[in-house]
Amino acid sequence: EDKVVQSPLSLVVHEGDTVTLNCSYEVTNFRSLLWYKQEKKAPTFLFMLTSSGIEKKSGRLSSILDKKELFSILNITATQTGDSAVYLCAVDRLTQGGSEKLVFGKGTKLTVNP
Amino acid sequence: KAGVTQTPRYLIKTRGQQVTLSCSPISGHRSVSWYQQTPGQGLQFLFEYFSETQRNKGNFPGRFSGRQFSNSRSEMNVSTLELGDSALYLCASSSSGTSFKQYFGPGTRLTVT
Repeated sequence: EDKVVQSPLSLVVHEGDTVTLNCSYEVTNFRSLLWYKQEKKAPTFLFMLTSSGIEKKSGRLSSILDKKELFSILNITATQTGDSAVYLCAVDRLTQGGSEKLVFGKGTKLTVNP
Repeated sequence: KAGVTQTPRYLIKTRGQQVTLSCSPISGHRSVSWYQQTPGQGLQFLFEYFSETQRNKGNFPGRFSGRQFSNSRSEMNVSTLELGDSALYLCASSSSGTSFKQYFGPGTRLTVT
């Protein structure tokens, strides 16, 4: 059975701290790994990673994938209160029918205190 | 471009009733996926429709069904509601069905009493 596990489940930090969120996975027919940020309702796309060892970066956020060890990390440096959200990791896999399917982890709830 | 819209935004139903949720994708998008999000299980895939055909289905009982119309709008129906169906139901649209280009709607919060 496909599995995506995120850790920690929740995290409380102070503004300015650096955080690392973890995502490990076991899926068949892996295509890519995605990170989303969910603040109120709709998750918003952050990164898609397909190749091992190549860091994706956007401002203070960065992410990297290790396809050999089957995990990814999302780093946020100099955290701000606006970073408070649930961060979701999802793996895109091919189904037997040839279509794609996203399998989500349960998320990491990040709270950044002023 | 307008984003993905979902109606209604909030819904309270009684056990045993049925419910229909609606999702209007971004104009031009032909793929609509539905997800259920609960605190215990996280975000779980329900099904995906592309050009009015169900392409993919998650591990949910037959009480959960959906359809897609020719204008790509999609509906999800849950019959014989159970307390455990209380959740946030999210739909996401994409132009080609490629998962990473999905845009999520704001969700419908369903409470079953």
